[in-house]
Formats: sequence, C-alpha cells, structure tokens
Amino acid sequence: ETGVTQTPRHLVMGMTNKKSLKCEQHLGHNAMYWYKQSAKKPLELMFVYSLEERVENNSVPSRFSPECPNSSHLFLHLHTLQPEDSALYLCASSQEWRVQTEETQYFGPGTRLLVL
Amino acid sequence: GNSVTQMEGPVTLSEEAFLTINCTYTATGYPSLFWYVQYPGEGLQLLLKATKADDKGSNKGFEATYRKETTSFHLEKGSVQVSDSAVYFCALSEVAGRRALTFGSGTRLQVQP
Repeated sequence: ETGVTQTPRHLVMGMTNKKSLKCEQHLGHNAMYWYKQSAKKPLELMFVYSLEERVENNSVPSRFSPECPNSSHLFLHLHTLQPEDSALYLCASSQEWRVQTEETQYFGPGTRLLVL
Repeated sequence: GNSVTQMEGPVTLSEEAFLTINCTYTATGYPSLFWYVQYPGEGLQLLLKATKADDKGSNKGFEATYRKETTSFHLEKGSVQVSDSAVYFCALSEVAGRRALTFGSGTRLQVQP
C-alpha cells in the first residue's frame, strides 16, 4: 500500500497530442522525482523537485515539462512525443535531504505510456 | 560518477532454493544502498536498505550487507517462494548531494513450484 499515487495508470497518445501525468504523495514528503523506465534500459532519473523548486533536469528533452505546484503534487506535461518515449513513468517522493537524514524514496505504481 | 552493476538475469530457481543476486557499486562518496522489488505490472517497492558500512538490511526473509571493502550489496534469501518472482533492483543514493537514486539494470527472478 503505497502513499504515492499516479494517474492515469495507462495512456495511449498520438505524437501530436498533449497530455499530463499526475502524481500525488500522502506521506508528508517535500522532495519529488520523475523516473523513466524503458525496456532493456536502467531506470533513468528525469527531474527532481525539492521544496517545490526544480533542482535537477537530467538532460530531458523539452517535450517533457514538469510542474510542482505544491509539495504533494507533481505533474509531467507531455507534448509532441515520439514513439521512443513509450515507457513506464514512475514518480517517487522522499524527505528533503537538507532537512532530514531519512532519504528513502517511495514510488508510485507508474503510468505506462504508449506513443503511436 | 556513480554506477551500480547487477548480475544479469533471468535467474530461475525452484521453490525453497537459496537465492543470491549480486550487486556492486561505484560511488564517489559514502552512499546509502537499497534493494527495490518490482512485481509484474506494478511500481517499485522498497525491500531493504543499509546506510553505512557493515549494516545489514533485512525484510521478508531477504538480507543484504553493506560491504565497503568489496563495494558490494548482494541480496540473499534462504528459501524462495513462487511469490518472490519479480524484478529486483539494486540502487544507491549519495549521502551528500541531491539523493536521487542510481539504479542497476535489474535482475528478473523466476521461482518455479
């Protein structure tokens, strides 16, 4: 029973569509993360937010646009994606590392995205 | 930079067999180490962790010991069950810094009745 939820769980979109992935955490954390899990590749960090401020963009293309309106919510806005962007997108949260020493990240179930 | 290397799978075992999944790491500092498990169709769940050298993490019969001298964090279980079939990920996070996780490539475990 995870305290991190993601919607939708599955998404099919065309290359010209615009869609958004949503993540919500109920753990009182203040750092949130987006990861990408592709077939046959290790999990890749995409973005890190700490105290609602983006602190890392791991060379992600601009067709992925994150948004963190508050410490409980994280979005990933998608536009003009490519078929190679099809993957499982995982959200995670943790305590902010400069405030707490407990750094364990807790993951949501992911959104499986298929770009046609 | 940081990196994590895991043994390639799939690992196929019979029920009640002994399990070892090897994990070694490279890090510039003193990382915390984690094992996460991903069951089919689900996200990652934390299985166990260790935050300093010689610490042993344990959960649900799984164990792993933080070995600084060999930079390893091997996962073990004495008697696996069919329900343990999943993909297991070794990961590290730097103590100093942004704490985002660096993952290994994952090892698929298949346990047969």
